Amino acid sequence: NAGVTQTPKFQVLKTGQSMTLQCAQDMNHNSMYWYRQDPGMGLRLIYYSASEGTTDKGEVPNGYNVSRLNKREFSLRLESAAPSQTSVYFCASSESTGTGGTEAFFGQGTRLTVV
Amino acid sequence: GQSLEQPSEVTAVEGAIVQINCTYQTSGFYGLSWYQQHDGGAPTFLSYNALDGLEETGRFSSFLSRSDSYGYLLLQELQMKDSASYFCAVDNAGNNRKLIWGLGTSLAVNP
Repeated sequence: NAGVTQTPKFQVLKTGQSMTLQCAQDMNHNSMYWYRQDPGMGLRLIYYSASEGTTDKGEVPNGYNVSRLNKREFSLRLESAAPSQTSVYFCASSESTGTGGTEAFFGQGTRLTVV
Repeated sequence: GQSLEQPSEVTAVEGAIVQINCTYQTSGFYGLSWYQQHDGGAPTFLSYNALDGLEETGRFSSFLSRSDSYGYLLLQELQMKDSASYFCAVDNAGNNRKLIWGLGTSLAVNP
């Protein structure tokens, strides 16, 4: 069981460069998420996708774009990286717990440094 | 606005019991979840409470009081491996079912 797989695990970018973070889940979940986590901070939602073909902005969407390619894959793109985007990025997918709630499953994270 | 509050740090000794509180103020509420995150790792799901009361899963228990907008995670028989950050998260009742996260509590378990 792979769960949620995101690539790459580490990346260093120069200011102004672009890159795409890839995420795939094999649990047949409808909902997928991209978060960023900064030192001493909780998780901040960048974008959310409730189903294939739909995306929604989260708390901190500026500087990012996303694409829900199909039910399995949800990618995050940085068009012009800035040092403020240095962070750890987590992809997640979720399913209902059966009692109306949500259980999220996370990838192992991408540690991105923008210099 | 929507917010969750939890203590930033808690310290305890092996074998002890620790309680991590979480108070929330959100526009909607389906339930309260708890996640554990070790340094350098990904958050992992611990528990979920939709109804008032205590849910027990091994050494970990979680409590919810909807009327008080309050919950806690109780860790018993603490072990060194329990040293991690613990996050509470509210399952928002909005259509998108987005989780709203607290800032996390860093638990240090000392010998």
